[in-house]
Amino acid sequence: AQSVTQLDSQVPVFEEAPVELRCNYSSSVSVYLFWYVQYPNQGLQLLLKYLSGSTLVKGINGFEAEFNKSQTSFHLRKPSVHISDTAEYFCAVSDQGYGGSQGNLIFGKGTKLSVKP
Amino acid sequence: DAGITQSPRYKITETGRQVTLMCHQTWSHSYMFWYRQDLGHGLRLIYYSAAADITDKGEVPDGYVVSRSKTENFPLTLESATRSQTSVYFCASGQGGRELFFGEGSRLTVL
Repeated sequence: AQSVTQLDSQVPVFEEAPVELRCNYSSSVSVYLFWYVQYPNQGLQLLLKYLSGSTLVKGINGFEAEFNKSQTSFHLRKPSVHISDTAEYFCAVSDQGYGGSQGNLIFGKGTKLSVKP
Repeated sequence: DAGITQSPRYKITETGRQVTLMCHQTWSHSYMFWYRQDLGHGLRLIYYSAAADITDKGEVPDGYVVSRSKTENFPLTLESATRSQTSVYFCASGQGGRELFFGEGSRLTVL
């Protein structure tokens, strides 16, 4: 069975500092990987996705993530954060195979990013 | 407008009452999902649907009922609400294994 582990539940950083949000997954098959962001009282919005090809994926709002198959990781990075990046971030995985719940994503428990002035 | 909409956004009900949360998408996505979001648990799948008239249980289906007579609609019903069903409910849609698109959520309080 697939699973996703977000290694930090909360990450406080100062404005303009770099940040890395860590995500590890386990799966016995090839996967698609996603990062979503959730602002307060809103739904989840897709930040970026890895489906195939280049292991460095760029997303919206200056975020990027690197797929590392050997370490089964998909860490999210931003070189300089803003106050407006304060939100909760979710890593998710979907297998590429067929099954009863094809199309479902398995989510990590989220990392709350708090950007301080 | 294209997208996925949920209603109501906020609902307060009493224990034992029936509640239906509505979800409508305009993309004609095959797959639709209901998740609940609770502190410490992240997002947990309640039910999903691969197409009209095809539904199946997720991780936490007890106490919930779904139907999907039309591709664009996927209502979630709590037949007899309990306090443990106080949560934020998210509907999502997608096309098989790729990204999901989420609604704004329905915040349900059961007194």
